[in-house]
Amino acid sequence: DVVLTQTPPTLSATIGQSVSISCRSSQSLLHSNGNTYLNWLLQRPGQPPQLLIYLVSRLESGVPNRFSGSGSGTDFTLKISGVEAEDLGVYYCVQSTHAPYTFGAGTKLELK
Amino acid sequence: EVQLVESGGGLVQPGRSMKLSCAASGFTFSNYGMAWVRQAPTKGLEWVATISYDGSSTYYRDSVKGRFTISRDNAKSTLYLQMNSLRSEDTATYYCTRASGVDYWGQGVMVTVSS
Repeated sequence: DVVLTQTPPTLSATIGQSVSISCRSSQSLLHSNGNTYLNWLLQRPGQPPQLLIYLVSRLESGVPNRFSGSGSGTDFTLKISGVEAEDLGVYYCVQSTHAPYTFGAGTKLELK
Repeated sequence: EVQLVESGGGLVQPGRSMKLSCAASGFTFSNYGMAWVRQAPTKGLEWVATISYDGSSTYYRDSVKGRFTISRDNAKSTLYLQMNSLRSEDTATYYCTRASGVDYWGQGVMVTVSS
C-alpha cells in the first residue's frame, strides 16, 4: 500500500502566520492517465472532513484562496497564507491514484 | 445540494453483525463510485471499502476482507456496508464519501463493538 508521510504532526501558529504542511508518498502518485490524485482535507473538531484541494493544486469551490497546494510525483505541500481561527483542526492528505486509497496520519494545526 | 446521510450505527457485541446505510441526494448517485471511511476515537482516517459506480467492482482493506461487504442500490441512491464478525477494533465513526474525489462526506455514524 502507498504510505503517505505527513510532517509536522503538530503545527502551532498565530493568527495571520503562513504555514506549510508536507505530504510525502512512498511511490509516485502520477496516474497513467496523466492526473495526480492527491487531495487535502480539513477536519475541524467534531466535524466530518471537508475537501480543500484536489488534484494537487485545484481549490475546491468555496474554499478561501489563502489555501494552496503544490507538488508532483512523491512530494506535496499545502500552504496556508495567513492562518485564521477557522482553519484550526487536523489536515490530511489522501491519495486515490493507487488502490487501496490511503490517508496521511494528519497534521494538527493549533493556536500558539 | 449534495447530501450523504448515514444510519444504522450503535452498540453491538463482538462477533455480531450490523448494516450501515448511506442515503445520497443532490447528485446522480449511479454515476459515482462510493466508499466507506472510518475513524477510530482520537485516531486518523482509514479507508474501509470502495464500490464502483455500477457495483461491479469492490475493494476492501485487508483487515475487513471476508467480514465486510459494500453494496449499493442505484434505484434507491443508497450505499450499504454489511459488517459481520465485528471486533473491538472495528469501533469507529463510519463515513460514506464519493470515492474518487472525496469531495462530499456524510456526518458519520458511530459503531461501538463491545460486550
